[in-house]
Amino acid sequence: SYELTQTPSVSASAGQTASITCSGDKLGDKYVSWYQQRPGQSPVLVIHHDSKRPSGIPERFSGSNSVNTATLTISGTQAMDEADYYCQAWDSSTGVFGTGTKVIVL
Amino acid sequence: EVQLVESGGGLVQTGGSLRLSCVASGFTVSSSYMSWVRQAPGKGLEWVSIIYSGNNTYYADSVKGRFTISRDNSKNTVYLQMKSLRAEDTAVYYCARDGAAEFHFDSWGQGTLVTVSS
Repeated sequence: SYELTQTPSVSASAGQTASITCSGDKLGDKYVSWYQQRPGQSPVLVIHHDSKRPSGIPERFSGSNSVNTATLTISGTQAMDEADYYCQAWDSSTGVFGTGTKVIVL
Repeated sequence: EVQLVESGGGLVQTGGSLRLSCVASGFTVSSSYMSWVRQAPGKGLEWVSIIYSGNNTYYADSVKGRFTISRDNSKNTVYLQMKSLRAEDTAVYYCARDGAAEFHFDSWGQGTLVTVSS
């Protein structure tokens, strides 16, 4: 079955850039979405179609996807960005989530 | 405003059954792709199942043959019938909408907790 692997945790100082990677076989051939989940809350879509931001999502969130790795970048990280982040893609009509990355804002 | 409200979770014995409901408002489930996603305590997200607007359904290997997703358009509700439940099915179950049929989840419910115990 298809797998998406993420680094368990990423730390960034407030105001700095946090980069979260998601790796999968030929991931660049698929569309990747990213979800933010704060403690005790439901997930929220922050990026879809690799790099598109839904309305209401701050511009500091951006995404890219190439070859085997998708990246979510948070520029100018804020305390409110501390959360778990999951990448997600589809493989043969089956949804797959990444293993998740905890972003810690120092 | 799009809203998804799940219900039906609870404590069930190993081998038992449970039906989850997801009542939608602000849109029609018949014209959306609707999924169930679960999250075991302290763990990551796991996609469970999807029902397309055309009624095709797909399942994760971990639940195939035990879970069934369905939809009642008259009630604007999506269901997840779960049978032969196992301890590893213990999780918060979220209902999620793909409103644009573009294979991403733009709205999520608050989740309902299913606990499977012997």
